[in-house]
Amino acid sequence: GAVVSQHPSRVICKSGTSVKIECRSLDFQATTMFWYRQFPKKSLMLMATSNEGSKATYEQGVEKDKFLINHASLTLSTLTVTSAHPEDSSFYICSALAGTDTQYFGPGTRLTVL
Amino acid sequence: LAKTTQPISMDSYEGQEVNITCSHNNIATNDYITWYQQFPSQGPRFIIQGYKTKVTNEVASLFIPADRKSSTLSLPRVSLSDTAVYYCLVGDGGGYNKLIFGAGTRLAVHP
Repeated sequence: GAVVSQHPSRVICKSGTSVKIECRSLDFQATTMFWYRQFPKKSLMLMATSNEGSKATYEQGVEKDKFLINHASLTLSTLTVTSAHPEDSSFYICSALAGTDTQYFGPGTRLTVL
Repeated sequence: LAKTTQPISMDSYEGQEVNITCSHNNIATNDYITWYQQFPSQGPRFIIQGYKTKVTNEVASLFIPADRKSSTLSLPRVSLSDTAVYYCLVGDGGGYNKLIFGAGTRLAVHP
């Protein structure tokens, strides 16, 4: 139980294009999902908290107009990286809150912007 | 936000028991303590979670003293496949369930 998937697992895009990443909780409903990014050899950095049916809450320093988050259902949250640039290349990981205390993480999406 | 402090790295050998201790002096009353394991290019994997005393599952044990200001993850009889980064996390104390990752402990298991 408590499985979270992400799609795609890796994506390569050209600078200036937009990329959408999906995060799904497969066997449970998640009112709250989270988005993180991770650079090589570094720890995970929380980007935003996504609540179903409401606007996402972004961490300080994260541009909400660049990283668009939509949480339209209890099993799906999406992160769209708009006008991507090479510095946006990173490993993006989502998690879903099961119950009130435990986050389960997706496998991650490797984004490479050329 | 509650912060955690863990050793940056540890080394062990196959078959040994590994104990990783985490300090969380400012843990809030309603915070749970959760440990995750992460392999390169993968999302963190849930290992164990506890609130107080001792919790055990099929892969690990978690020891939490009465003051809850620290916790110890115990991995029995590690194998090479346990080489990974281990993160100790507590809640943000604000009821929003945010997790702020520290640097984690890089465990290397040697033959």
